[in-house]
Amino acid sequence: QVQLKESGPGLVQPSQTLSLTCTVSGFSLTSYHVSWVRQPPGKGLEWMGVIWTGGSTAYNSLLKSRLSISRDISKSQVFLKMNSLQTEDTATYYCARLEHTTGVFDYWGQGVMVTVSS
Amino acid sequence: DIQMTQTPSSMPASLGERVTISCRASQGISNYLNWYQQKPDGTIKPLIYYTSNLQSGVPSRFSGSGSGTDYSLTISSLEPEDFAMYYCQQYDSSPWTFGGGTKLELK
Repeated sequence: QVQLKESGPGLVQPSQTLSLTCTVSGFSLTSYHVSWVRQPPGKGLEWMGVIWTGGSTAYNSLLKSRLSISRDISKSQVFLKMNSLQTEDTATYYCARLEHTTGVFDYWGQGVMVTVSS
Repeated sequence: DIQMTQTPSSMPASLGERVTISCRASQGISNYLNWYQQKPDGTIKPLIYYTSNLQSGVPSRFSGSGSGTDYSLTISSLEPEDFAMYYCQQYDSSPWTFGGGTKLELK
């Protein structure tokens, strides 16, 4: 069955770089796009970016200068790297599969909580 | 960026009640509007895509409608498992944006 699972450090120091991994199963990264979405504590959802099936990417303009999304098809993994972290980047980070015919995020990971603090 | 405004932000309701959640876009989004449910444990699942299409496996008590800038999600008769957060999301233009959420609470 389709699964996505985020992993990464729970704590990152201010000004450092966040690295997260989304490991997927049940589908190929060459057949489905994958996005990252984050949610600060007690707040709403923010779309961060997407890696398309062809490997190109698109980012939220608010984060574009700090964000990079890449993948390893052979390992079924999508990576997020975001630099210059600040306390306002504290959030739960989700990866989600984008169903290209309907435009909906049809499967989501459980999320990984990241705290930015010294 | 397109701003999505959801109302109300919280809604007390009773089992069996019919409820409607509204979502207004800052500009027309041509029906490119999805709805999601988030449970207290953080689990997120899609409910409705392209304004009014029911995602596979979602009960028929959920329905969506709207056009232009105004959209809504209706639950015809609340079940215990429906008390959760609900988010709308536009995908008409990048960056895709979500509404602020509506918390459906048991009255």
